[in-house]
Amino acid sequence: SQTIHQWPATLVQPVGSPLSLECTVEGTSNPNLYWYRQAAGRGLQLLFYSVGIGQISSEVPQNLSASRPQDRQFILSSKKLLLSDSGFYLCAWSWDSPYSPLHFGNGTRLTVT
Amino acid sequence: GQQLNQSPQSMFIQEGEDVSMNCTSSSIFNTWLWYKQDPGEGPVLLIALYKAGELTSNGRLTAQFGITRKDSFLNISASIPSDVGIYFCAGQLDADGLTFGKGTHLIIQP
Repeated sequence: SQTIHQWPATLVQPVGSPLSLECTVEGTSNPNLYWYRQAAGRGLQLLFYSVGIGQISSEVPQNLSASRPQDRQFILSSKKLLLSDSGFYLCAWSWDSPYSPLHFGNGTRLTVT
Repeated sequence: GQQLNQSPQSMFIQEGEDVSMNCTSSSIFNTWLWYKQDPGEGPVLLIALYKAGELTSNGRLTAQFGITRKDSFLNISASIPSDVGIYFCAGQLDADGLTFGKGTHLIIQP
């Protein structure tokens, strides 16, 4: 069976510091990978998605970037965090086929102080 | 872009009651999905619908893909305390990805 791991679960970072959130998927190959941000307990906003190694599509211009160095690894980064980057970040995967539903990780609660 | 209207925004129910929530769209979708999110966790897929008119059950949950392809509903029968959480609908037209509703917050009153 497939599993998705996301870490850390919580993170408190000062403004201006860098960020690295990691997500890995097990039990499948060539998944589509996604990063979402959720504000105030609802409202999922797609940030990035990837259909393969090194292939990143950005949905929203922002202070964040994503990378996919390996097939089942997806990283969300920032060089300098802003207060507005605070939120709940969710990684998700789906099969590489149309209409495959998303399966989410348990999320990272980021607080920028 | 496509937008989903999910209602109600919040529901206060008594344990044992049936629950109904829905999502509507101004445009059609080819897939409807329903997720549940517990506090501090990621959304978990409950039901996936792939065909207009499809009615699918998962235990006490029942969801339908509207015949117009512009709406879907989720019913929960005989609610229990662990049903509390936020329920999200999501629609997909093509391979461009999902559009999520803003969620229905289900609260069970003592």
